[in-house]
Amino acid sequence: DIQMTQSPSSLSASVGDRVTITCQASQDIHNYLNWYQQKPGKAPRLLIYDVFNLETGVPSRFSGSGSGTDFTFTISSLQPEDIATYYCQQSGHLPFTFGPGTKVDLK
Amino acid sequence: EVQLLESGGGLKHPGGSLRLSCAASGFTFSGYAMSWVRQAPGKGLEWVSGISGDAGNTYYADSVKGRFTISRDNSKNMLYLQINSLRAEDTALFFCAKDRQYSIGCHTMWGQGTMVTVSS
Repeated sequence: DIQMTQSPSSLSASVGDRVTITCQASQDIHNYLNWYQQKPGKAPRLLIYDVFNLETGVPSRFSGSGSGTDFTFTISSLQPEDIATYYCQQSGHLPFTFGPGTKVDLK
Repeated sequence: EVQLLESGGGLKHPGGSLRLSCAASGFTFSGYAMSWVRQAPGKGLEWVSGISGDAGNTYYADSVKGRFTISRDNSKNMLYLQINSLRAEDTALFFCAKDRQYSIGCHTMWGQGTMVTVSS
């Protein structure tokens, strides 16, 4: 199975800050890399698919980049409603696997 | 509006069985692969199973292979997950998810989940 790692596991930032999360796959996932947001007590929400494609309705302050095994997720200007846990996920190889998550809260 | 509504969870004893259901609406159900993803209390997400739109192909995580069976009834817009030989480690919130068209494993819409608790 492909192992997904995320860094950091948690972070604190202020409103307006640029936030960056990295995700690494244990092998090439051919850019089938997705990012999800999960708020407490809620279902996850797809934000970005296939590395950099913004899902419909997702604010443009969210973005993704990378290739092969190394990927980055960025919030250009953190908003209070962005407080959540973010997961990367590879959907290029079965079984599909998620990273352990990055919890983002307000400083 | 796309809606997914899971049901069938509850408290079960180890070794028992249950069937989870997911009622889908607001989209052409048969045109999309579907998946089940679970989340143990306080833990991360784990994909457990997926099925193609025509039900011709099914996929499982190694951790559930042989115990879980995914199925769907496209005439009723229903997705199912049969879970046998329940273990304590199956305790989790189970989400059903609609996958992106032509891209199984990319979950574009999620239900609110149904909780399965396995305890003696």
